[in-house]
Amino acid sequence: GENVEQHPSTLSVQEGDSAVIKCTYSDSASNYFPWYKQELGKGPQLIIDIRSNVGEKKDQRIAVTLNKTAKHFSLHITETQPEDSAVYFCAAPSWGKLQFGAGTQVVVTP
Amino acid sequence: NAGVTQTPKFQVLKTGQSMTLQCAQDMNHNSMYWYRQDPGMGLRLIYYSASEGTTDKGEVPNGYNVSRLNKREFSLRLESAAPSQTSVYFCASMGRPTNNQPQHFGDGTRLSIL
Repeated sequence: GENVEQHPSTLSVQEGDSAVIKCTYSDSASNYFPWYKQELGKGPQLIIDIRSNVGEKKDQRIAVTLNKTAKHFSLHITETQPEDSAVYFCAAPSWGKLQFGAGTQVVVTP
Repeated sequence: NAGVTQTPKFQVLKTGQSMTLQCAQDMNHNSMYWYRQDPGMGLRLIYYSASEGTTDKGEVPNGYNVSRLNKREFSLRLESAAPSQTSVYFCASMGRPTNNQPQHFGDGTRLSIL
């Protein structure tokens, strides 16, 4: 099955700086990679996803890049704001299910 | 626009008690999932239902049972609760069990077992 590793486990950034979270996956057949944001007391919410026929996707201040050769994908948050503080999860498909990374706690300090 | 609804939001049980966590989705999705989330462990799949009438074990099924009551509802049952089952439980749904769709999550049930 799929194995997803996510780094770092915690990330502290100054407001206005950029944040980058990286994930690697093991199954070369995987072709869909979502990112979720989980705020305190809430369930994970999809924020962006990418399919394997593109290398990059942007949505305002967030972007995801995919390197299929190296089997890794990354979430980039630019101009971070306090409301970006949350836990972020990457995921990759595995036989009709999703295999999640362990999560990254992002703290944006003023 | 409710999406995925979980009940109850909080519950405290004594060891050995039983209870059922309820989940319903209004998006006409075929697949539904139950996860548990523990500190530092991410999301671990307990059971899932690829379509109405089918259920399968996930990564951590021991101590749990599930019922796919109809297309909308998927319940998780703890027959004899143990302290190790203290966790936050999330239900999710997905349109079809293919490899190109996101899952949509409820806001969780916080369960403490004393």
